[in-house]
Amino acid sequence: DQQVKQNSPSLSVQEGRISILNCDYTNSMFDYFLWYKKYPAEGPTFLISISSIKDKNEDGRFTVFLNKSAKHLSLHIVPSQPGDSAVYFCAASARNKLVFGAGTILRVKS
Amino acid sequence: DAGITQSPRYKITETGRQVTLMCHQTWSHSYMFWYRQDLGHGLRLIYYSAAADITDKGEVPDGYVVSRSKTENFPLTLESATRSQTSVYFCASSQQMTDTQYFGPGTRLTVL
Repeated sequence: DQQVKQNSPSLSVQEGRISILNCDYTNSMFDYFLWYKKYPAEGPTFLISISSIKDKNEDGRFTVFLNKSAKHLSLHIVPSQPGDSAVYFCAASARNKLVFGAGTILRVKS
Repeated sequence: DAGITQSPRYKITETGRQVTLMCHQTWSHSYMFWYRQDLGHGLRLIYYSAAADITDKGEVPDGYVVSRSKTENFPLTLESATRSQTSVYFCASSQQMTDTQYFGPGTRLTVL
């Protein structure tokens, strides 16, 4: 039973346009959400997070939106750059648990 | 060097052999984690440790053993490797359980 789902295995976007990566979760106890980015042959690195008391968090080109009623979060990258091409993992945490989604491969075409 | 390191980076072994993957962190983080990454499954937690000599099972612990005699080291042992354990293994550390985790570069393990 996947508690955190990233339904799009891959996404292709033109450089300069917006990339939107989506994530759905099923456990209403999750109260903190994170996005990690992973390049080939490297470990994942933390990108941005959001607490369940907020609905938006912004850091430069990256914005995460949280819709608690829909149990849905999304990561927006504007403008997208070729260096953003990577695998993006959504993760959700509760008290003693951090659960990752399967990841979405983002390709930004120049 | 500061950070979190894993060794070896690549390993090929045969079914039934014992394999140990090493993880070392220099931040003195309390928590350390082992994940495996498989296509379609993302990162799945194998074991974690809250401190030296304290370990606990994650989502997929079967076939794996861990120990943590020192805060900075968290080795993962496959006592009798199976083909289904072919995967990329990531070690991570954090100060608290649900803090941001910092990942090592991964070990790609192939079991023939």
